[in-house]
Amino acid sequence: AIQMTQSPSSLSASVGDRVTITCRASQDIGNNLGWYQQKPGKAPKVLIYGASNLQSGVPSRFSGSGSGTHFTLTISSLRPEDIAIYYCLHDYNYPWTFGPGTKVEIK
Amino acid sequence: EVQVVESGGDLVLPGGSLRLSCTISGFTFNRFYMAWVRQAPGKGPEWVATIRYDGSVTYYVGSVEGRFTISRDNAQKSLYLQINSLRVEDTGVYYCVRILGQKYGSIWHNWFDPWGQGTLVTVSS
Repeated sequence: AIQMTQSPSSLSASVGDRVTITCRASQDIGNNLGWYQQKPGKAPKVLIYGASNLQSGVPSRFSGSGSGTHFTLTISSLRPEDIAIYYCLHDYNYPWTFGPGTKVEIK
Repeated sequence: EVQVVESGGDLVLPGGSLRLSCTISGFTFNRFYMAWVRQAPGKGPEWVATIRYDGSVTYYVGSVEGRFTISRDNAQKSLYLQINSLRVEDTGVYYCVRILGQKYGSIWHNWFDPWGQGTLVTVSS
């Protein structure tokens, strides 16, 4: 199975800061990578699919990039409502696997 | 409104069985692959199983193979997960999710949307 890793595991940033989260796959997964946001007590919600496609209704401050084994999620200007855990998920082949998550907090 | 609602979670003894259900509304159920994703307390999500739109093909994560069975009733617009031989490590919130996909050239990109509120399965003696 393809293993997914994320860095950092947690971060603290100020409102308005640019935040970047990295996800790496243990093998080439092309662009088959999505990003999910999970707020406390809620189900995850998709932000990005196909590595860089913004899901309908998701604010444009979120963006994704990368291909192969290295991917990034960027929040261009952090807002208080972005406090959450962010997970990457590959859909290249079964089993689909999530990364361990990155917890984003406000400084 | 597109919606999925899970039910059937409960407290069960190790070795026990449970059947989770998911009812959908707001979309044409028989056109979509569906999946179950679970999340253990304090852990990240884990994909568990996927079923093709017509029920003819299923996929499972290795740790549940032979113990879990995903199925669907398109007439009833319902998704199911039969869970047998439950283990303590199966404890968690189980989410029903629709799989959306988009084709780029010859490659499909897939994602989960929407997610339900989840149903809690607790395996404990």
